[in-house]
Amino acid sequence: AQSVTQPDIHITVSEGASLELRCNYSYGATPYLFWYVQSPGQGLQLLLKYFSGDTLVQGIKGFEAEFKRSQSSFNLRKPSVHWSDAAEYFCAVEGGYQKVTFGTGTKLQVIP
Amino acid sequence: NAGVTQTPKFQVLKTGQSMTLQCAQDMNHEYMSWYRQDPGMGLRLIHYSVGAGITDQGEVPNGYNVSRSTTEDFPLRLLSAAPSQTSVYFCASSLSSGNTIYFGEGSWLTVV
Repeated sequence: AQSVTQPDIHITVSEGASLELRCNYSYGATPYLFWYVQSPGQGLQLLLKYFSGDTLVQGIKGFEAEFKRSQSSFNLRKPSVHWSDAAEYFCAVEGGYQKVTFGTGTKLQVIP
Repeated sequence: NAGVTQTPKFQVLKTGQSMTLQCAQDMNHEYMSWYRQDPGMGLRLIHYSVGAGITDQGEVPNGYNVSRSTTEDFPLRLLSAAPSQTSVYFCASSLSSGNTIYFGEGSWLTVV
């Protein structure tokens, strides 16, 4: 069975600092990988996705993620965080037929 | 473009009552699914559908029923509500496997 682990429940960074959110997955083959963001009281919005090819994926809002097969990881990064990035971030893996498994999420707090 | 529409947005039920959460999408998506979100648990898949007339169970299907009579609609039925079903429910749809998943805005359900 597929699974996703987000080891950091809560992260605090200063505005302008760099950010890395960790994600490890478990799946037998090459999966589809996603990062979603959720603002309070809202649904989820896709930041970026990886299917195949280039292991560094660019997304919206200046985010990027790198797929590392050897480490079963798909970490999300941003060079300079803005206050509006404060939200909860979910990593997800799809094994097919839209059977998507989400991680437990990482809440990002941005301090001035 | 309405996207994915869920109703109701808020609902309070008494233990043992039944109800239906409605979900409709206007993007002609084949894949639809229901998730529940609980604090610290991420999103967990309840049921999903890969097309009209085809449904399957996800990770936490007990106590819920679904049907997919049309491409547009995917209602979620709570048969006999229990306090453990207090949660936020999200309906989602996508064009096909590996494509962006679009989420509704959520339905907040409280069972007392």
